Amino acid sequence: GQQVMQIPQYQHVQEGEDFTTYCNSSTTLSNIQWYKQRPGGHPVFLIQLVKSGEVKKQKRLTFQFGEAKKNSSLHITATQTTDVGTYFCANQNAGNNRKLIWGLGTSLAVNP
Amino acid sequence: NAGVTQTPKFRVLKTGQSMTLLCAQDMNHEYMYWYRQDPGMGLRLIHYSVGEGTTAKGEVPDGYNVSRLKKQNFLLGLESAAPSQTSVYFCASSRDVYEQYFGPGTRLTVT
Repeated sequence: GQQVMQIPQYQHVQEGEDFTTYCNSSTTLSNIQWYKQRPGGHPVFLIQLVKSGEVKKQKRLTFQFGEAKKNSSLHITATQTTDVGTYFCANQNAGNNRKLIWGLGTSLAVNP
Repeated sequence: NAGVTQTPKFRVLKTGQSMTLLCAQDMNHEYMYWYRQDPGMGLRLIHYSVGEGTTAKGEVPDGYNVSRLKKQNFLLGLESAAPSQTSVYFCASSRDVYEQYFGPGTRLTVT
């Protein structure tokens, strides 16, 4: 079945450095959703990308959807300690059950 | 709105015991999901429901049963708990093609 591969698995950065996580698929994705999970917390929706080549920004976070709709990225500019957590990408099933196919996540640690 | 709530928050079971995890949402969402999360394994779908009275298997359904008798509630049952079911369980709900809203999770330990 369809898989969503997410890299890297872990990333340690110094506060102020940039961070990027990538989500890749061998097949065309209907859409991509990004979630953030703080340590000890639950996943929280960040954004959804639907269109080929789409770019969306939320303050220091930039989300991109590839032209071929087979990859996506989340870039954080000038990381802060509040950015610590695991970032997941997920592809929503195009059928009628609305299941999400999840990447394994990228855990971000930020050293102050 | 409370969003998605889960009870209990923590539970310790002995092997062979049974329990039910309750998920409730007040957003009138049609779709509801049960996930388990284990270190390095991401989120794995156990069962899901596309509406009141419906349930379907996800990728790891063995050892679990579910029921959705009311639209706002989705119950996850463990009939005979095993140590392999030690995990964090999340319930989520969604409205059609939009994002999933997650509950705070239940941390279950089976000894």
